[in-house]
Amino acid sequence: SQQGEEDPQALSIQEGENATMNCSYKTSINNLQWYRQNSGRGLVHLILIRSNEREKHSGRLRVTLDTSKKSSSLLITASRAADTASYFCATDQSFHLIQGAQKLVFGQGTRLTINP
Amino acid sequence: DGGITQSPKYLFRKEGQNVTLSCEQNLNHDAMYWYRQDPGQGLRLIYYSQIVNDFQKGDIAEGYSVSREKKESFPLTVTSAQKNPTAFYLCASKNSGTGGTEAFFGQGTRLTVV
Repeated sequence: SQQGEEDPQALSIQEGENATMNCSYKTSINNLQWYRQNSGRGLVHLILIRSNEREKHSGRLRVTLDTSKKSSSLLITASRAADTASYFCATDQSFHLIQGAQKLVFGQGTRLTINP
Repeated sequence: DGGITQSPKYLFRKEGQNVTLSCEQNLNHDAMYWYRQDPGQGLRLIYYSQIVNDFQKGDIAEGYSVSREKKESFPLTVTSAQKNPTAFYLCASKNSGTGGTEAFFGQGTRLTVV
């Protein structure tokens, strides 16, 4: 079953505008991560936010986490054409009794298009 | 250069044939993962492994098999029992850590049934 569900499924905005994507999940998590995927390529890690953190910044990226609502958002400010990609959230779920063992589960993704 | 390598990039399989996708990492990561991605869709977990000689089924393991004989390698075999294997396959690895760590992905293998 998919843990993270992104919203919207697709987003198209003008260059320079801000883009906001949301992710909801169902179970308790250790952390939540956001990844980017260019068409036909592997995923690249963007940012990780731990369950005891509420907000995190990295360059033009801002991530929030609300564990009470089981949701996260990714904000990309001052978007550029090069930001066009699919964005996925992923959650770490512990498995086994092996310390640190984690099952990494991804959502369906948001396809972001930045129009020049 | 450290990284995770998948091969081949493109693979064609005939009906009823088993094929094996390679995934190798030199990042000294403990955990490795295989995902399947269909067009316009998210990633679905096939198998994952935390340590050598141990692996667990993910959400869509039927028709697939894996082995983890070495820390660096986690090959995926798509068997003839997988009725719809045409997809993009992604391998990932990450360190274990109670605080969570980022995953590194290979560039993927695109498998097509001919």
